[in-house]
Amino acid sequence: GESVGLHLPTLSVQEGDNSIINCAYSNSASDYFIWYKQESGKGPQFIIDIRSNMDKRQGQRVTVLLNKTVKHLSLQIAATQPGDSAVYFCADGNQGGKLIFGQGTELSVKP
Amino acid sequence: DVKVTQSSRYLVKRTGEKVFLECVQDMDHENMFWYRQDPGLGLRLIYFSYDVKMKEKGDIPEGYSVSREKKERFSLILESASTNQTSMYLCASSPGQGVVGELFFGEGSRLTVL
Repeated sequence: GESVGLHLPTLSVQEGDNSIINCAYSNSASDYFIWYKQESGKGPQFIIDIRSNMDKRQGQRVTVLLNKTVKHLSLQIAATQPGDSAVYFCADGNQGGKLIFGQGTELSVKP
Repeated sequence: DVKVTQSSRYLVKRTGEKVFLECVQDMDHENMFWYRQDPGLGLRLIYFSYDVKMKEKGDIPEGYSVSREKKERFSLILESASTNQTSMYLCASSPGQGVVGELFFGEGSRLTVL
């Protein structure tokens, strides 16, 4: 079946550095993707989404890049802060009307 | 703000017991979902519903059933709990019947089956 995968299960960065979290997908027909952030003990929360008619979308301190040629997307967090420590999931929104999630990357921010 | 409320944050049950996990959303969303979350496996879809009394199987429906008698409420049922159903269960809702978009999640229900 179709799948969504993240490249690294864990990522550790220094406070103030930029973070890059990667995600690959297998369904070439996918045209909608979402990034979620899950803090310890909480449900996932929406960060940003992107449709396939865009290569890049920016939010507050976050940027999502989509490369449809290699079926890859990334989430960039600028000036990473301790409050950014969480598990980050990408999700593919074209699986028969439902979201399929990747396995998650745990981001740790060192002070 | 959208609120998705899961009735129990922590449950401990015994093998063979019937378990009900309740989820209520207050934003009149058409779509509701149940996921389970396990380390290294991410979120996997169990069941979803786009309308009252309607349900669709997700990727891992075995051992589970659901009920949606009212638009705001979506219940997950484990008819006979087993130890491999020990997990975190997440309920979510979204607007737009059948339209894929942002999901709003509850805080989760951590179930332990002994």
